[in-house]
Amino acid sequence: QVQLVQSGSELKKPGASVKVSCKASGYTFTTYGMQWVRQAPGQGLEWMGWINTNTGKPTYAQGFTGRFVFSLDTSVSTAYLQINNLKTEDTAVYYCARDSSISSFSVDPWGQGTLVTVSS
Amino acid sequence: QSALTQPASVSGSPGQSITISCTGTTSDVGAYDFVSWYQQHPGKAPKLIIYKVTYRPSGISNRFSGSKSGNTASLIISGLQAEDEADYYCNSYSNTSPYVFGTGTKVTVL
Repeated sequence: QVQLVQSGSELKKPGASVKVSCKASGYTFTTYGMQWVRQAPGQGLEWMGWINTNTGKPTYAQGFTGRFVFSLDTSVSTAYLQINNLKTEDTAVYYCARDSSISSFSVDPWGQGTLVTVSS
Repeated sequence: QSALTQPASVSGSPGQSITISCTGTTSDVGAYDFVSWYQQHPGKAPKLIIYKVTYRPSGISNRFSGSKSGNTASLIISGLQAEDEADYYCNSYSNTSPYVFGTGTKVTVL
């Protein structure tokens, strides 16, 4: 079955970097784009942007330019989110989510989420 | 791009029907039929339950239905069950962003 499995929780200090992985299985990785969504503690969902898994071209939403980097390793069907120069306000659960196979501008499935905690 | 507006909470008794609204603008909900709804149980990832305003993915209960009028989309849950207690988020395509999420609604089953 189609599945996205993300890397485990991370605890980082301000100013450090973190790299979250999202490994896909059950389908051809380069067929569907991959979205990234942030959920701060107790807050709603926020779209961060997406990466075209066929071309590798990333697109970042407003507020996620500069420190956020989307990348791929298609040889292992894995998408990555790297956050540089971490700030305490980056503390959140980060989800990868695949473009839906049944409709444009919907996502399904989602990864299980990766909690990134930034604290000194 | 501002988030779409949802009520913070909606509650109902088992067996009742409830409606969650999702209000946008003429640049998003009012302009496109790419409105989706996601269900999120505590500590879990969101799950797609409605796409393109009214369509249900395979495996989703027909107790969930969607509609749209003008700039407002709605999710209707009929025959409310304890397992429906969760957070619900709408999402729409917009002129400025392919994904704009709603503020989220907590559904409580009394």
